[in-house]
Amino acid sequence: TQLLEQSPQFLSIQEGENLTVYCNSSSVFSSLQWYRQEPGEGPVLLVTVVTGGEVKKLKRLTFQFGDARKDSSLHITAAQPGDTGLYLCAGGNGTASKLTFGTGTRLQVTL
Amino acid sequence: DAGVIQSPRHEVTEMGQEVTLRCKPISGHDYLFWYRQTMMRGLELLIYFNNNVPIDDSGMPEDRFSAKMPNASFSTLKIQPSEPRDSAVYFCASTRAGETQYFGPGTRLLVL
Repeated sequence: TQLLEQSPQFLSIQEGENLTVYCNSSSVFSSLQWYRQEPGEGPVLLVTVVTGGEVKKLKRLTFQFGDARKDSSLHITAAQPGDTGLYLCAGGNGTASKLTFGTGTRLQVTL
Repeated sequence: DAGVIQSPRHEVTEMGQEVTLRCKPISGHDYLFWYRQTMMRGLELLIYFNNNVPIDDSGMPEDRFSAKMPNASFSTLKIQPSEPRDSAVYFCASTRAGETQYFGPGTRLLVL
């Protein structure tokens, strides 16, 4: 069974701070996705990374896929209250579109 | 596009009752997924379909759970009989192969 462990589980920071969320596995994935989920809604895709060592930037968010394609990180610069939510990584393999979701990191950004 | 539609949004039932959750995927998507989310276990894949055919149901917890997809625009997840430990948020998602999975708003189920 492929498992994705995220750390930290919970994070409460003030507006303007930087943070990094980690997603680790002992398994290799062909792709790694990051989702954000807000209360009462389903997860929404933020980014997909497919190449080992790949770095993608989405405004204040920076995503990195590990060289061995077993881990990933999400870095947020100058966090804002609108970044509050549950962040989920998800690993994919092949073309079956089946995803294995991580344990989740719940982020709260306060004023 | 209306996105993935799920109904009901909330369901409260008593232990032993049958529960049916419904999902309408995005038109043109050929994959449909059912997930369950709890605080303890996170987001778990229960079953997924490709072109209306169940491909992997290894995540279905036990025989009380069943899922069907009679056509490309409709799927159901049934729990019979329901138990308190089935209380969770159930999500449906759809996609085309290799593309983004789009999630519905979920059905929050409470079994008393």
